[in-house]
Amino acid sequence: QKEVEQDPGPLSVPEGAIVSLNCTYSNSAFQYFMWYRQYSRKGPELLMYTYSSGNKEDGRFTAQVDKSSKYISLFIRDSQPSDSATYLCAMSVNAGNMLTFGGGTRLMVKP
Amino acid sequence: DAGITQSPRHKVTETGTPVTLRCHQTENHRYMYWYRQDPGHGLRLIHYSYGVKDTDKGEVSDGYSVSRSKTEDFLLTLESATSSQTSVYFCAISGSSGSTDTQYFGPGTRLTVL
Repeated sequence: QKEVEQDPGPLSVPEGAIVSLNCTYSNSAFQYFMWYRQYSRKGPELLMYTYSSGNKEDGRFTAQVDKSSKYISLFIRDSQPSDSATYLCAMSVNAGNMLTFGGGTRLMVKP
Repeated sequence: DAGITQSPRHKVTETGTPVTLRCHQTENHRYMYWYRQDPGHGLRLIHYSYGVKDTDKGEVSDGYSVSRSKTEDFLLTLESATSSQTSVYFCAISGSSGSTDTQYFGPGTRLTVL
């Protein structure tokens, strides 16, 4: 079993929909949680960064962490075709180092 | 891409040949990382560096070596390339002076070993 699990998708939604992307993990020592967005043939770019449990909002994006359930989510409101990409969750025990990644979920937002 | 360049961006080589990939940063970050990305496996850490001449192994280090002689450059060498090393390789950086922070990625190098 992988340390971080993520449904590979693809997830196809109509423009304007609310998107929910999720990861589960097994290592209870993880404290730092990140979401990266990766467009085709590009490097991952940091989207959201949270520490411990709780919610964090940035524009149309909301990251949630539930450490008791070992479950993190990324919500995208009013999804746009430009949101079409692969979304990778990542987490670490200490800040910044030794990230463990999920396999990524491919999202397609159709006009 | 946060002041990170990778070279070459694409390379095709033959089994058994040595290959060196270069990562260059202009951010003066302390930590540098090499990952490979393969379908079904996500991003996996090969090696990382926590300072000039200070490196350590990651999850999938067999068949790879690294060197860091300057803060800005981190080299990944495949001593004798194999077809299983066909992948997309990403460099990442983190940690401005005095602190660690999350990682920022370069544009990637697509390597094909025939």
